[in-house]
Amino acid sequence: GQQLNQSPQSMFIQEGEDVSMNCTSSSIFNTWLWYKQDPGEGPVLLIALYKAGELTSNGRLTAQFGITRKDSFLNISASIPSDVGIYFCAGPYMNYGGSQGNLIFGKGTKLSVKP
Amino acid sequence: DGGITQSPKYLFRKEGQNVTLSCEQNLNHDAMYWYRQDPGQGLRLIYYSQIVNDFQKGDIAEGYSVSREKKESFPLTVTSAQKNPTAFYLCASSLGGPGNTIYFGEGSWLTVV
Repeated sequence: GQQLNQSPQSMFIQEGEDVSMNCTSSSIFNTWLWYKQDPGEGPVLLIALYKAGELTSNGRLTAQFGITRKDSFLNISASIPSDVGIYFCAGPYMNYGGSQGNLIFGKGTKLSVKP
Repeated sequence: DGGITQSPKYLFRKEGQNVTLSCEQNLNHDAMYWYRQDPGQGLRLIYYSQIVNDFQKGDIAEGYSVSREKKESFPLTVTSAQKNPTAFYLCASSLGGPGNTIYFGEGSWLTVV
């Protein structure tokens, strides 16, 4: 079935460093979503991407919809301690008839930031 | 404020008991979802509902039941048939149907004692 592979699984960085993580699949996606989950809370939507090649920013966050439609990247510039959490990518499952199914999620990238 | 409210935040269950997790949304969203999260496993879909009085099984529905009697409410019952219920449960909703951007509640921790 369709899967989303996120890497790296975890990252330990120093405050102020830039961060890059990605999400890949063997299948094509029409939408890519990036969520952040703080410890013990529900995930919060960070960025939504709807078009191949699209590059979208939200403050210090930048995400790109890969041109092949099989991958997406999330970058965080100048990290701060509150960036700590788990970052998930997600995209809609494509049914055989071409209609969209429910979202599937990657397993997440856990980010730790040392002050 | 609009949002998704889950309760309780923390719940302890004795073996053999059924427990119900509440989820209410005032976003006027059509679809609602329940996910289970275990460490290192990401999010797994339990049940979802696209309209009132209708719901479908997700990937791990065994041992769970739901109802959708009102648009705003989608409670999840963890039955005694669920052999490993200790997990973090997340309710979510979306304006449209499958594949649309979903928004999550704050989650409920269930622990079996």
